[in-house]
Order: sequence, then C-alpha cells, then structure tokens
Amino acid sequence: NAGVTQTPKFRILKIGQSMTLQCTQDMNHNYMYWYRQDPGMGLKLIYYSVGAGITDKGEVPNGYNVSRSTTEDFPLRLELAAPSQTSVYFCASTMDRYLFSSYNEQFFGPGTRLTVL
Amino acid sequence: AQTVTQSQPEMSVQEAETVTLSCTYDTSENNYYLFWYKQPPSRQMILVIRQEAYKQQNATENRFSVNFQKAAKSFSLKISDSQLGDTAMYFCAFINNNNDMRFGAGTRLTVKP
Repeated sequence: NAGVTQTPKFRILKIGQSMTLQCTQDMNHNYMYWYRQDPGMGLKLIYYSVGAGITDKGEVPNGYNVSRSTTEDFPLRLELAAPSQTSVYFCASTMDRYLFSSYNEQFFGPGTRLTVL
Repeated sequence: AQTVTQSQPEMSVQEAETVTLSCTYDTSENNYYLFWYKQPPSRQMILVIRQEAYKQQNATENRFSVNFQKAAKSFSLKISDSQLGDTAMYFCAFINNNNDMRFGAGTRLTVKP
C-alpha cells in the first residue's frame, strides 16, 4: 500500500490563480480530511468527507472547495488564491469514525507546500 | 467549540532522561479521543499514542505514556529514556463524534546528546 499520497509537493501561485491539490488513498478508508498548517502552528481542519458523495466543512473552510466522487480521491480546490492561503496542506484518512472502535488513527500524506505571491 | 492548548512552545531534555509535555483541552462532550502526534523535520505526521476518553487507564506505547486526567481536561505525554530521534514537534489533538478534529499549536522538543 502506498498509503496517502499528495501531489504536488510544492507549488507557487500568483494571487487570483486557481489550483487543485490532489489526495489519494489506497487503504479503502471512508473518512478523509484536509488540513492546513501555518508556520509554527498546529493543523487546522478545512474540510472532511465521511464517504463518496459526502463532504462537510471544518474549522477553516473559506476559500476552498472539495469533492468526493470516489472513495480513493479527495481533491481540494483553491479558486482565487490569496497570500493568506500560503501554508502546508495535509490530507489524511481513517478507517472508521465510531468512537468505540480501535481504528481511529488518521494516516497523513506527506503534505503540499503552497506559496501564494 | 473545542480547543486544545499546549503551553510549552519549546522544551529540551538530555538524552536518556525523561520529559513531560503538557496539553489541556476544552470540551463539553463526554466521548472523544485524544492523540499525540510527532512531526519531525520531514513534516510527516506520525501518531505517537492515543487515548479513548471513556477509558480510565492511561495509554502506554513503549517509552511513551500519557497522564489522562478527564476531570481536569489534561492530557500530558511522558517520554522516557529520550533518544536523539525523538527530536521533533509534538502536537496534542482532539476529535469528537462529529469529526471535529482540533490540534494544539505544538511543542518543539530537542533531545540533547
């Protein structure tokens, strides 16, 4: 298993440009998440999905969109890039949401470093 | 809203000694999970240890253990016999039944030889 993969690893955007950050997992996980990590800070949840066709907002969703057409893929879209979106973006997935399951570990991708100038 | 607070931005410890990282959280819920994640310079997020809120017993994973005080909403991480490879950022995290995952700001731990 490759786990959670993210592309690209690095990207520089100009203000107003758009782009899609790709995330794929091959573990057949239902739950997928997008986070951003600003310098010197912890991760903040942008969006999450509990299964194909279902997405929901996290703590900081403004300026982003997501879709989940398949179990494996969970792309994150930036429509009008702004300098405030300069960050490292992490995608994660987990097998099961149920509180009394042992399988609540989130597996993280390697991250995408995005700079908006 | 849930919040996670790590009050120690940086800590250091001598190799082979023990260090404790602090974490407090705020929630009105009764059922949730707590985690400690390690982030080395490679940026990869690595799960160190997890604790289910309904369990009284503190979780242990080899050299890593937690002190979970539910009433005080405290979740500290103890690293015994510190190794140079433990040098990293450590994040405390919380998730509730609504998938609301929150991370603390992190503690940068340096293990000195």
